[in-house]
Amino acid sequence: QQKVQQSPESLIVPEGGMASLNCTSSDRNVDYFWWYRQHSGKSPKMLMSIFSNGEKEEGRFTVHLNKASLHTSLHIRDSQPSDSALYLCAASKPGSFNKLTFGAGTRLAVCP
Amino acid sequence: EAGVTQSPRYAVLQEGQAVSFWCDPISGHDTLYWYQQPRDQGPQLLVYFRDEAVIDNSQLPSDRFSAVRPKGTNSTLKIQSAKQGDTATYLCASSPGTGGTEVFFGKGTRLTVV
Repeated sequence: QQKVQQSPESLIVPEGGMASLNCTSSDRNVDYFWWYRQHSGKSPKMLMSIFSNGEKEEGRFTVHLNKASLHTSLHIRDSQPSDSALYLCAASKPGSFNKLTFGAGTRLAVCP
Repeated sequence: EAGVTQSPRYAVLQEGQAVSFWCDPISGHDTLYWYQQPRDQGPQLLVYFRDEAVIDNSQLPSDRFSAVRPKGTNSTLKIQSAKQGDTATYLCASSPGTGGTEVFFGKGTRLTVV
């Protein structure tokens, strides 16, 4: 069973628009959430991680976390065609040496 | 700083053939992971090591897959008798292993079994 669920499966946004991606863990033992971006044919690269309740912003990217519901979301403002990629959400548990459990991903396409 | 290095980058096999993938983690990273990523899906963990010790290999198909990290540095993942269902990208990753530290991925080996 997939312990990390991502939605939507795919998303199309216009250039300059806002993209919102969602992720929920069904494992109540997780403590960190991670967002990775994977361009076609490339390896996953970490965008942001979050541990505490609330919001974290880095440039055009904002991550929210609600620990009670184990839900995280990634928001990309002023989306660019170069943001087109597979966005992967992962979760890790304490004491697991950072073993990441990934969701299936959201495929984002930003259209000029 | 060098990243995670993997070889080969591509492999094409017929069913029943064997193949080995090699990984050199970032220097100083104690923890090494092997993931399998089918096309357009998220990576799924196969096995991971802390130094030379296997921490979890429960998702490794043990009848055909094996992985070693004998000196706690480089690692090899081997498929003894490949099946078409093994077609995927095999990603190696490493991290210091402490909570909240980033996991870095190599470029992967894209395996096609025909």
